[in-house]
This record gives sequence, structure tokens and C-alpha cells, in this order.
Amino acid sequence: AAGVIQSPRHLIKEKRETATLKCYPIPRHDTVYWYQQGPGQDPQFLISFYEKMQSDKGSIPDRFSAQQFSDYHSELNMSSLELGDSALYFCASSLEQGKDTQYFGPGTRLTVL
Amino acid sequence: AQSVAQPEDQVNVAEGNPLTVKCTYSVSGNPYLFWYVQYPNRGLQFLLKYITGDNLVKGSYGFEAEFNKSQTSFHLKKPSALVSDSALYFCAVRDFHNTDKLIFGTGTRLQVFP
Repeated sequence: AAGVIQSPRHLIKEKRETATLKCYPIPRHDTVYWYQQGPGQDPQFLISFYEKMQSDKGSIPDRFSAQQFSDYHSELNMSSLELGDSALYFCASSLEQGKDTQYFGPGTRLTVL
Repeated sequence: AQSVAQPEDQVNVAEGNPLTVKCTYSVSGNPYLFWYVQYPNRGLQFLLKYITGDNLVKGSYGFEAEFNKSQTSFHLKKPSALVSDSALYFCAVRDFHNTDKLIFGTGTRLQVFP
């Protein structure tokens, strides 16, 4: 079965640079979620989109922005990167909002030097 | 505020023995509860969920979990552990009425010894 695709899988950036993470949901899934997992920590919700509209917002820094496109893929844009942004960034998708299961991608490991 | 607690950082069990990974939750309404497993350098894999219905939920790879409303618990269980079950397990809760987000516990590392 098709899974959530994330690219790139690994990314190394310098401080103050920008990064763009991409997420391709499972086909027919219309809701996308972004999570950040710091080293040794549990995943923290950043933001979600349903039918290309932002549906919920968590602890996402103002330096980050995201959007969902007409083909339902999503991009997380991160600017003015800081050392503390180094983490594993997960995208998840679900068939609909509400009680449906969120299926996670393999993650993008971002390292900020 | 919604929260999930996983009281054990690590659980050790011998292969073939039953395993239990504990989870308790706190939500204001009816909870949606989930278990995910994370292998090294991999994403989170869905194991099982409780929404409504039977308190005993069966999931992938022989895992099951029991929802206990009075004890606000949702412990993950497996009758016979495998070495390949060794991984990091996360319990998560989602508020019934509200938000999209999953709130995760701190994770429990399961180590199954041969």
C-alpha cells in the first residue's frame, strides 16, 4: 500500500538559512499534519491542513510557514534556522478530519549547523 | 488540558513472555487513543486505536490494548514477545471535540531479550 512520502530524508543547513520540507500524503487523503520530534523527545504537533486550508495550529514558530497545494501535497517552509530547529520532522496524513488514523511518513531529519 | 503519561521509560522482557506497556490519559471528553511504534531512524507506525466499542482492541503484529475508562488507562499488550518487537512505543490521545493534533506520551522503549 502507498505510504506518506517525505523529501528530502536528510537535510543539513547552516544557521540563518532556509529549508523547505515536502510531504506527499497517501492517495485520497485530504488532511495533512506536521510534527516535530527533537532528540529523545516525543513528537510535537506543528500545524495541519484540511482541503488546502489550515485546520489547526500548534507550537509552530513564526519563522515557519506551511501550505497545502491543490494536489494535497504540503510544504513546510522554515526560515532563519536556529540550532534548536535540528529535529526529525514528520508529516502524517488521514482520510478525513476527526477520528481517522494519522499515518506517518518516514520523516525528514534536519540538522542545523 | 489533554495529556498522556507513559510511566516507564523502558520495559525489558524475555522473548516468548507476555509484555505490557502502560499508558494513562487525561482528557476532558471522550478520548481517541492510539498506539504507535517507532523503529530506529524510521517513522511512526500505527499499531491500533480505540474510538468506541469494545474495550479490547486488536491491532497489528499481534498487539492488543485494553481501554479502561475507570482507570483512564490504555495499556498495550502482547501475549508472546518477539525480539523484533524491540522498539520505541508511543501512546497518543486526541481530543474528541477539538483539535486535529495527537498528543503523545514520552515513549517507552521496549527491549526483548532472546
